Parts: sequence; structure tokens; C-alpha cells
Amino acid sequence: DIQMTQSPSSLAASVGDRVSITCRASQTIGTYLNWYHLKPGKAPKLLIFTASDLETGVPTRFSGAGSGTTFTLTVSNLQPEDFGTYYCQQSSRTPYTFGQGTKVEI
Amino acid sequence: EVHLVESGGGLVQPGRSLRLSCAASGFTFDNYAMHWVRQAPGKGLEWVSGISWKSGNIDYGDSVKGRFIISRDNAKNSLYLQMNGLKIEDTALYFCAKPRTAAPGSLDAWGQGTLVIVSS
Repeated sequence: DIQMTQSPSSLAASVGDRVSITCRASQTIGTYLNWYHLKPGKAPKLLIFTASDLETGVPTRFSGAGSGTTFTLTVSNLQPEDFGTYYCQQSSRTPYTFGQGTKVEI
Repeated sequence: EVHLVESGGGLVQPGRSLRLSCAASGFTFDNYAMHWVRQAPGKGLEWVSGISWKSGNIDYGDSVKGRFIISRDNAKNSLYLQMNGLKIEDTALYFCAKPRTAAPGSLDAWGQGTLVIVSS
């Protein structure tokens, strides 16, 4: 199975900050990498698919980059509604493994 | 608007079985693969299982392989997860999820989840 490792595990930031989260795959996955945002009591929300494509309706302050084994999610101009946990997920092959999550505290 | 509603969760003893359902609406259900993803209390997301649009391709995560069975009924716009031999570590919120068009593993719609608690 492909292992996904995110860093950092948690971070604290202020409104208006730019934050970046890194996700590394244990083997190359091309650009088959997705990012999700999860808030307590709510369903996960797809933010970025295939490494850098912005999901419909997601604010442009979210961006993704990378290919192969190393990927980055960047949130510029952090807003209060951006708190929660971010997960990367590889969709190169099943099982579609997730990273362990990065908790963002405002 | 896409709508996914899970049901069937509850409290069950270790070793017993439970069947989850997911009712889908707002999209052409039989055009899409479907997936189950779970989140144990205080833990991260874990992909459980996926099934192709005509049920020809099915796969499972290692932790449930041999115990869980995914199925679908396209006539009823419904997805199912038969969970057998339940273990305490299967306790989780179970989500059904729909993938994005042309991006099979990118899950763009999720239900609110159904809670399964395995305890004696």
C-alpha cells in the first residue's frame, strides 16, 4: 500500500497568514493527489484534486502543487473558517490512502 | 444538488454484523463508482472500500478485507456495506462518497455519516 505522510501534524496561525502543508507519498503517484478539509461534525470537503486543480466553489486562496512524491497545499490570507484538519489522499491506486492529517488552529 | 444519506449505524457487539446503506440522489448514480470512508474517534480518515459503476471492480482496505462486503443497487440508487465479524477497532463514523467525473478517486460529495459503535 502507498503510505502518505503529512507535515506538520498541527500548526497555529493568525488570520491573514499564509500557511503550507506538505504531503509525501511512499512511492510515485504522478499527480493523483487530493486535499480535503474536515471540520468537527461536518462531512469532508474536497479542496484540490489531481494535485493542483481547484474544486468548484473553493476560494482561490487555496492552491496545490507538486508531482511524484512531494506535494504542498497552501492557504494564503487565512480566514477564520479555515480552521480544522486538512488531509491529503492519493488516488493513484487502491487502497486510496490518506495522510494522518494536519490540524490548523486559528 | 447531490445528496448522500447514510443509515444503518448503531451499537453492536464484537463479532456481530451490521449493514450500512447510502441513499443517493441528485446525480446519475449508475454513472459513478462509489466509496466508503470512515473516521474512528480522534483519528484520521481511512478509505474502506470502493465499487465501480457496474460492480465489476471492487476493492477493500487491508483492515476490512475478508470481513466487509460492498455492493450497490443501481435501480434503487443505493450503496451498501455489509460488515461482518465486527471488531472494536471498526468503531467509526462511516461516510459514503461520490468521486468527481473523470477523477475516480477524488471524492467531491460526501454524506454526513452514520456512526458504528462496536462494544460489548
